[in-house]
Amino acid sequence: DSGVTQTPKHLITATGQRVTLRCSPRSGDLSVYWYQQSLDQGLQFLIQYYNGEERAKGNILERFSAQQFPDLHSELNLSSLELGDSALYFCASSVRSLRGGEQFFGPGTRLTVL
Amino acid sequence: ILNVEQSPQSLHVQEGDSTNFTCSFPSSNFYALHWYRWETAKSPEALFVMTLNGDEKKKGRISATLNTKEGYSYLYIKGSQPEDSATYLCAFETSYDKVIFGPGTSLSVIP
Repeated sequence: DSGVTQTPKHLITATGQRVTLRCSPRSGDLSVYWYQQSLDQGLQFLIQYYNGEERAKGNILERFSAQQFPDLHSELNLSSLELGDSALYFCASSVRSLRGGEQFFGPGTRLTVL
Repeated sequence: ILNVEQSPQSLHVQEGDSTNFTCSFPSSNFYALHWYRWETAKSPEALFVMTLNGDEKKKGRISATLNTKEGYSYLYIKGSQPEDSATYLCAFETSYDKVIFGPGTSLSVIP
């Protein structure tokens, strides 16, 4: 158990809908990262937050947004869902803005868009 | 476009064999190179983080080396065991806070 929690574990929804994925980092970690793993693709970096502020952006679609709250938990919002958004979404946390430190991954949320 | 490559894509070895994999990454904007172990139905688990050219890290039977000038890292497993079966991921951390993962090397150790 890495100490990073993600909810829900599974989510099934329809195209066009909007969902919110939640991540709670390890106690004391200030940075949260979101990754997407689609079928036959590696882990794709979406976005990083550090102490409530966006720090780095990867291949995140405009239909997706994220935020980190004062209590450091983070939410990833996915809207106007398409079939291709079906994937495993991981959240990871680190003490600071990585900088050569370790990332600890949560168990992931499996999103299925029908 | 920053690209991280790993080879081989998959590997099947006999128990007791030693093996190694390669991670190739851009030699510019380098900050750190991470190795992860990812077992089926679990989440990636950090093995090593290396930041300096020539770094070598070791954890039990697993070790890793780093060459930032030529942009590659090797992961070695000595005396493979069935419990080593997993996908091994490397991740390139840039100097501007992005993290780019390679596609992974899938290792199967046959008892």
